[in-house]
Amino acid sequence: DSGVTQTPKHLITATGQRVTLRCSPRSGDLSVYWYQQSLDQGLQFLIHYYNGEERAKGNILERFSAQQFPDLHSELNLSSLELGDSALYFCASSPPGRRGGTDTQYFGPGTRLTVL
Amino acid sequence: GQSLEQPSEVTAVEGAIVQINCTYQTSGFYGLSWYQQHDGGAPTFLSYNALDGLEETGRFSSFLSRSDSYGYLLLQELQMKDSASYFCAVRSGQNFVFGPGTRLSVLP
Repeated sequence: DSGVTQTPKHLITATGQRVTLRCSPRSGDLSVYWYQQSLDQGLQFLIHYYNGEERAKGNILERFSAQQFPDLHSELNLSSLELGDSALYFCASSPPGRRGGTDTQYFGPGTRLTVL
Repeated sequence: GQSLEQPSEVTAVEGAIVQINCTYQTSGFYGLSWYQQHDGGAPTFLSYNALDGLEETGRFSSFLSRSDSYGYLLLQELQMKDSASYFCAVRSGQNFVFGPGTRLSVLP
């Protein structure tokens, strides 16, 4: 158990819908990262938040957005869902360090999103 | 742009030693990380190299050569439970890029 929690564990929805994935980082960690992992694919970095502020954007679609709240939990919002959005979505957290984050990331169990 | 290359598959027998290589192209390189992921599970941090040389953590070691943009993960005394995918990753600024992963199969 990494100490990072994600809800829900599974999510099944239809094309065109909107969903929200939730992540709570480990106690004391200020950074939250979101990743997408499609079937048999690597991890695609989506976005990084540090202490409530967006720090970096990766390959995140405009239909996707995220935020980190004052209690440091984060939400990833996916809208106008398409079949290709079906994937595992992981969040990870890391302890505070220089430049707003360290390279040791602790991953949550993931949310499996299925778009029908 | 940023890219990492790893072999797609490696097979070895229990008790053996295996090396998984990673070459990278990135700007603003800070260090190379390695993660393990079992099927259906979450990635787990294994090691991090910021400087050239070998870092040892139990049965796992990781090596980095910044001048060659190259690193490897060395797994010794292989066990069946080591069968998993292994990803190298680099941080470029606040972006993180993961390699495509190497699937390691450990045979009895």
